[in-house]
Amino acid sequence: GAGVSQTPSNKVTEKGKYVELRCDPISGHTALYWYRQSLGQGPEFLIYFQGTGAADDSGLPNDRFFAVRPEGSVSTLKIQRTERGDSAVYLCASSSDSGNTIYFGEGSWLTVV
Amino acid sequence: GESVGLHLPTLSVQEGDNSIINCAYSNSASDYFIWYKQESGKGPQFIIDIRSNMDKRQGQRVTVLLNKTVKHLSLQIAATQPGDSAVYFCAENNAGANNLFFGTGTRLTVIP
Repeated sequence: GAGVSQTPSNKVTEKGKYVELRCDPISGHTALYWYRQSLGQGPEFLIYFQGTGAADDSGLPNDRFFAVRPEGSVSTLKIQRTERGDSAVYLCASSSDSGNTIYFGEGSWLTVV
Repeated sequence: GESVGLHLPTLSVQEGDNSIINCAYSNSASDYFIWYKQESGKGPQFIIDIRSNMDKRQGQRVTVLLNKTVKHLSLQIAATQPGDSAVYFCAENNAGANNLFFGTGTRLTVIP
């Protein structure tokens, strides 16, 4: 597709369950980012990939959060033992290289009940 | 600083008027700035960007002004239309950093 694609668009899960959120970046973009956005606030950085490697994971809140990008394209954000406080919109973004314009997907709305 | 939705700065303008949305940033090392538009239920949409070696940049109906002396950024929208109603975020990035830092956002409402 032309833009960043994220699935699922909405996910409701029970507290304690495991969740995977998928991101398909713009074709050819080597840099991929995950952000989290709570209601009424701006997006907050979670993790950045350059190619297959996580170049900066300083934004991940704790070790329940993990992300992979095994082939340098699609990325999966994984959340273990979900908590109600994890409820937010998880945004994926990509750019042609670090420092270039970052384009966002529509997000995956996660609700933990 | 943080704000919750009820405290989101708001701006209401009449259709056809010009809008000015302001943003203050704190990191003097920031050298790249972006304005995003976010409609309800959607992801942030790129509007315009500017690097620190410039003080003005124009796009289609939008202009971004950068004042590095007072660390201030503004977005001007000409002839505002109902479709411009959204939350607008400024974001900054400093050289060598791998991520954008977003401001709290301003909700723009265009009155027909």
